[in-house]
Amino acid sequence: DVKVTQSSRYLVKRTGEKVFLECVQDMDHENMFWYRQDPGLGLRLIYFSYDVKMKEKGDIPEGYSVSREKKERFSLILESASTNQTSMYLCASSSSRERYNEQFFGPGTRLTVL
Amino acid sequence: SQKIEQNSEALNIQEGKTATLTCNYTNYSPAYLQWYRQDPGRGPVFLLLIRENEKEKRKERLKVTFDTTLKQSLFHITASQPADSATYLCALYSSYKLIFGSGTRLLVRP
Repeated sequence: DVKVTQSSRYLVKRTGEKVFLECVQDMDHENMFWYRQDPGLGLRLIYFSYDVKMKEKGDIPEGYSVSREKKERFSLILESASTNQTSMYLCASSSSRERYNEQFFGPGTRLTVL
Repeated sequence: SQKIEQNSEALNIQEGKTATLTCNYTNYSPAYLQWYRQDPGRGPVFLLLIRENEKEKRKERLKVTFDTTLKQSLFHITASQPADSATYLCALYSSYKLIFGSGTRLLVRP
């Protein structure tokens, strides 16, 4: 079974702090994604990566950056956390080998910025 | 503008009945559409995929239809059970990424 793990289930940070969210997948997937999920807004894509050291902006990249130094790991960085970044963050991965590729999601990190 | 819409109101049905959830989209021409299930506090889990040239897809008690003329997908759960209670998300593939709807919550009463 594909496993996508995220470093924390719950995180509380203060405004202005630098925040790292880590995601690891164990299925050798090429593609990795970071979403945030807010009530009524659905999942919104922040950043994605199709290969190591490669990144692409999603729909809402402002205030975020990412790092992919190894194939299995994709990190989301909040350079200076703000209260409007309080949200559920979901990481996902998928294979490029399948044309209609389903995404496998981690359990999510609920981040609260005070 | 491009939109993908699911009914934001929860669907509340009696056990044993068929649940039908709707996904409508505008200004997209997706090659395929996916449905996911999400339980509270968890990440979405993939259920079914339907391609643009397929009218209908089935998997056990699940059925998905895809009408590219109406720009609509319907998701059916037959003989629904309380364990089917969850939020169901549709997602369409556009510009090399998945675009998700905000989901519809299904409540199945025993």
